[in-house]
Amino acid sequence: GAGVSQTPSNKVTEKGKYVELRCDPISGHTALYWYRQSLGQGPEFLIYFQGTGAADDSGLPNDRFFAVRPEGSVSTLKIQRTERGDSAVYLCASSLRLAGKNEQYFGPGTRLTVT
Amino acid sequence: AQSVTQPDIHITVSEGASLELRCNYSYGATPYLFWYVQSPGQGLQLLLKYFSGDTLVQGIKGFEAEFKRSQSSFNLRKPSVHWSDAAEYFCAVCGQGGSEKLVFGKGTKLTVNP
Repeated sequence: GAGVSQTPSNKVTEKGKYVELRCDPISGHTALYWYRQSLGQGPEFLIYFQGTGAADDSGLPNDRFFAVRPEGSVSTLKIQRTERGDSAVYLCASSLRLAGKNEQYFGPGTRLTVT
Repeated sequence: AQSVTQPDIHITVSEGASLELRCNYSYGATPYLFWYVQSPGQGLQLLLKYFSGDTLVQGIKGFEAEFKRSQSSFNLRKPSVHWSDAAEYFCAVCGQGGSEKLVFGKGTKLTVNP
C-alpha cells in the first residue's frame, strides 16, 4: 500500500517568508508525528497528533511553528517568518498505535532551505 | 528525560564482514526500542523493533538486535554485510504508554568497502 507522502520534497524560501509543508499519512493511521532533522543529527520531535488534536506539541521550538490536522488525516506544518536556522529536513511519520505499540512509519521528508 | 547514545559516529567494514552497531539508552523503565536506516536522500525505514518478550529480535534485510536490560543496550548486528547496507543507522526509544514521541540517537554512518 501507499506509504507516508510529503510535499514538496524541496522548498527554498527567503528569510522572513511563510512556508507550509504537507504530510499525507498512511490510510487509517490515527497518529501523526512531525520531526526535524538537522545536518548530522538524528530526528527531533516537534508535534504529535492523535486524530485531529495535537496531543503533544512540546517539541515546537517557538510560536513561529504551528501544525494542523483538521480532518484527522492530512497535516500541514506551518512556519512563519522563517529564519536561516529553520533550514533542515522535516519528516512526517504515522502510526496505527495498535495496543499502544507505537510503530512509526516515515515519509521521505521535505528539505527546507532558508536563504 | 529519555536519551539515546550511539557511541560510533562512523564505522567502516569490508563487504562480507560482520557488523555490530552500538546503542545505549537512558530511561526510567523499559522502553520500546527501534532501529531505523536512512539511505542518502531517503526517509527513515524501520529495520526492527522491541516491545516485549524475546530479547533477540529479527528484522528486515538480515538484521537482528538484542535488548540487554542490565546494560541498557539494544545493539544491532548483521553476520555478513552487503555493499547495499551502506547508510546511516539510527537507534530510537519511545516510552510505553503516555509519551508517544521517538527519541533518536545521533546516528552511525556505515561505509562498506568492497
